[in-house]
Amino acid sequence: KAGVTQTPRYLIKTRGQQVTLSCSPISGHRSVSWYQQTPGQGLQFLFEYFSETQRNKGNFPGRFSGRQFSNSRSEMNVSTLELGDSALYLCASSLPGGNNYEQYFGPGTRLTVT
Amino acid sequence: GNSVTQMEGPVTLSEEAFLTINCTYTATGYPSLFWYVQYPGEGLQLLLKATKADDKGSNKGFEATYRKETTSFHLEKGSVQVSDSAVYFCALRNNNDMRFGAGTRLTVKP
Repeated sequence: KAGVTQTPRYLIKTRGQQVTLSCSPISGHRSVSWYQQTPGQGLQFLFEYFSETQRNKGNFPGRFSGRQFSNSRSEMNVSTLELGDSALYLCASSLPGGNNYEQYFGPGTRLTVT
Repeated sequence: GNSVTQMEGPVTLSEEAFLTINCTYTATGYPSLFWYVQYPGEGLQLLLKATKADDKGSNKGFEATYRKETTSFHLEKGSVQVSDSAVYFCALRNNNDMRFGAGTRLTVKP
C-alpha cells in the first residue's frame, strides 16, 4: 500500500505570495490532518478534514486554509506569506473514528519564504 | 483538555547505553498513546502504540507501557545504536483530538 504523499517536497516563495500544498492520503483513509513544524514551536496542529469537512482547527490565522476533495486528497493554502511561515508542513492520514487509529505521516513539504 | 509533556532534550548517549525518555499526559476518558520517531529530513513514523491501560507497545527494541495511574508512557530501550539517533515524539489521540509532545532529540555516539 502506498504511503502518504505530499507535493511539492520543496518550495521557495517570497513574502506576500500565496502557496498551495497537496497531500494524498493512504488509500482508504478518509481523515487528513495538517501540521506545521518549526524548530522554535515544534509540531503544531493546523486542521483536520474528514469527508470533505473541516473537523478540527488549530490556532492559526485565517491566512491558513485547507480543503478536502471527494477522493480524500487534501490541499492547504497559505496566503500573504510571511517570513515566519517558513517551516516543514506535514500531512497525516488515518482511518476515521476511534482513538485506536494512528496517523501516518507524509515526508513533508519544506517551505522557505524569503 | 488533552496535552502531552515529554522530557526536554537533547539527550546524548553512548552506543549500547540504556535509554529512557519520559512522557506524561493529561486527558479525560481513554486516550490511545503513541511514540513517533522522526529521522533527519523525513516525516514522522509510528514507532509503537498502546490503546488501553497496562498495554505495552514494543517495536525495534523500544518499549513503552501505558500507565493510567501515573498518566505516563515512558519510552525505553535497553541498548541504543547510532542508527537510533532521531527526534522522538510522544502523542495521544482522544476523541479525534491528536496531541504531540515537543519532541526529544536523541544523539547516540559510537
